[in-house]
Amino acid sequence: AQSVSQHNHHVILSEAASLELGCNYSYGGTVNLFWYVQYPGQHLQLLLKYFSGDPLVKGIKGFEAEFIKSKFSFNLRKPSVQWSDTAEYFCAVRVAPGTYKYIFGTGTRLKVLA
Amino acid sequence: GAVVSQHPSWVICKSGTSVKIECRSLDFQATTMFWYRQFPKQSLMLMATSNEGSKATYEQGVEKDKFLINHASLTLSTLTVTSAHPEDSSFYICSARTGENYFQPQHFGDGTRLSIL
Repeated sequence: AQSVSQHNHHVILSEAASLELGCNYSYGGTVNLFWYVQYPGQHLQLLLKYFSGDPLVKGIKGFEAEFIKSKFSFNLRKPSVQWSDTAEYFCAVRVAPGTYKYIFGTGTRLKVLA
Repeated sequence: GAVVSQHPSWVICKSGTSVKIECRSLDFQATTMFWYRQFPKQSLMLMATSNEGSKATYEQGVEKDKFLINHASLTLSTLTVTSAHPEDSSFYICSARTGENYFQPQHFGDGTRLSIL
């Protein structure tokens, strides 16, 4: 069965620090990849997605992610975090084609200290 | 755009009662809606997928007689937890996607926290 791993469960950073959150999946075929963010008390919002093409994907709010097929990874990065980035981040994988179902990772709670 | 509204946001009820949770797409037609369950410090687990006008497809291990899903219109899906018990207490989240375009992502509601006493 497919699975998604987010190894960092809790991350604490100071403002202006760089961020990288890991996401690895287990599936040998074609996948679509997503990062969602959930701010406190809010719903999940799409940060970025990858379907094909350039493996470096740029999303909203200065986030980017790189798909490395050989490593089955889709890590999320941001060069300089802000206090407002405090949230929970979820990686999701969709097996392609033919299904709309997501498989989510367990999430990473990011706390940015002002 | 692409707003999904979920109601209620929090419900507390006695064991044995049934609880209905609504999921509405406010500004788009949702051909497919999804229901997830999230336990504390765990991932979102897909319970079922529903397409408008047809029966929901449940994931393995999810009791379809316990969790009744109805997707009667392109903007509304409901999840009814029947004869709820304390072990059904959880955070339930719905999502929706629009159209037949495969590249459309899912849009999520705010979730419903269900507490069964």
